[in-house]
Amino acid sequence: GQNIDQPTEMTATEGAIVQINCTYQTSGFNGLFWYQQHAGEAPTFLSYNVLDGLEEKGRFSSFLSRSKGYSYLLLKELQMKDSASYLCAVRDPGGQNFVFGPGTRLSVLP
Amino acid sequence: ETGVTQSPTHLIKTRGQQVTLRCSSQSGHNTVSWYQQALGQGPQFIFQYYREEENGRGNFPPRFSGLQFPNYSSELNVNALELDDSALYLCASSFPRGGGPTKEYFGPGTRLTVT
Repeated sequence: GQNIDQPTEMTATEGAIVQINCTYQTSGFNGLFWYQQHAGEAPTFLSYNVLDGLEEKGRFSSFLSRSKGYSYLLLKELQMKDSASYLCAVRDPGGQNFVFGPGTRLSVLP
Repeated sequence: ETGVTQSPTHLIKTRGQQVTLRCSSQSGHNTVSWYQQALGQGPQFIFQYYREEENGRGNFPPRFSGLQFPNYSSELNVNALELDDSALYLCASSFPRGGGPTKEYFGPGTRLTVT
């Protein structure tokens, strides 16, 4: 089976940095993905990691440690529009589908 | 926007009824996955279609069924609707390539309410 865990809610201040953690236990691994989802909208792709280390993409970075079953998403210079849910997802080893975590609802305050 | 479209946007049905949701995949994508997302939770995989054949299924009962057409568009059918079927139904398309993870592109979803 596959199990993915994330904090339910986080709050941060505009301009700050926030780190959203994700831990996973899976029977196999074929990539870890981060998606952003605003309320009532579809998830949109942010980043993915296949190998250990940090992937940087503008204000967003994602880190992976496969041996620890751990990833985080780092958001810098927070803006109000970053208020959303952030979904961590692991690719099923057969490559057929994503297994999503419950999502972390981030609120950015002025 | 991802180029994935879904219809209808919203739908209200009564318990016991049947519903059909539709999805048009992004141009060039031959794989469509369907997910159910209850309020405040992450999406749960229902099934996937690849070149008109079911290519994997999550933990959903047989009353959830689907189709994929030659143009790679897809339908999700749910029979004997239950109150717990109320959710956002997301369609995602992709084009699997060998040698690396495949990114999925999500449509805007259909919000189904069962009363």
